[in-house]
Amino acid sequence: EIVLTQSPGTLSLSPGERATLSCRASQSVSIGYLAWYQQKPGQAPRLLIYGASRRAAGIPDRFSGIGSGTDFTLTINRLEPEDFAVYYCQQYGSSRLTFGGGTKVEIK
Amino acid sequence: EVLLVESGGALVQPGRSLRLSCAASGFTFDDYAIHWVRQAPGKGLEWVSGITWNSGSTGYADSVKGRFTISRDNAKNSLYLQMNSLRTEDTALYYCAKGGDLVATVNRDFFDHWGQGTLVTVSS
Repeated sequence: EIVLTQSPGTLSLSPGERATLSCRASQSVSIGYLAWYQQKPGQAPRLLIYGASRRAAGIPDRFSGIGSGTDFTLTINRLEPEDFAVYYCQQYGSSRLTFGGGTKVEIK
Repeated sequence: EVLLVESGGALVQPGRSLRLSCAASGFTFDDYAIHWVRQAPGKGLEWVSGITWNSGSTGYADSVKGRFTISRDNAKNSLYLQMNSLRTEDTALYYCAKGGDLVATVNRDFFDHWGQGTLVTVSS
């Protein structure tokens, strides 16, 4: 099973700043099979990125993903008030689908 | 609009059984794998189980293998999760999630739409 480690656990930023979230895999993730989700309190997760870098339908272009192998990054440019949430990565390149533990992006 | 509506969550005693359902609409149900993902209170996400478009293949997390059974009825656009021998650690919000890849296998999939979840509480 591939273990995903997200860092930092919490990111304290102000609106307008850039957020850089890391997701590191315990072994290589096949062909960039890595997705990112956003979850706000009391809501279901929402798909942001799949295939490591492809934005899902309706996702603003301030969200971008990059990475391959074991290291992946989600960047949120110019944080908007609605972007403060918890973000999870998920790999789908091995026999068991797994999620990272999450990064909380909070208002500084 | 894709809609996934879970039901069946309840308070149950350890060792008992429960069956969850998920009603889907707004997309061609039998084109996609469908999954269950759970979230314990205050915790992260855990994939529980998935089933391919034609029920030809299923997958389970090690934590539920042998106790939970996933199934689907394409004629009814519905997904199910039969949960037996429930444990306190199964307490969670259970989400139904649509696979993002057309005709994907259960271990090569991400989740592009989610329901709002149904709460399962296992406690004596």
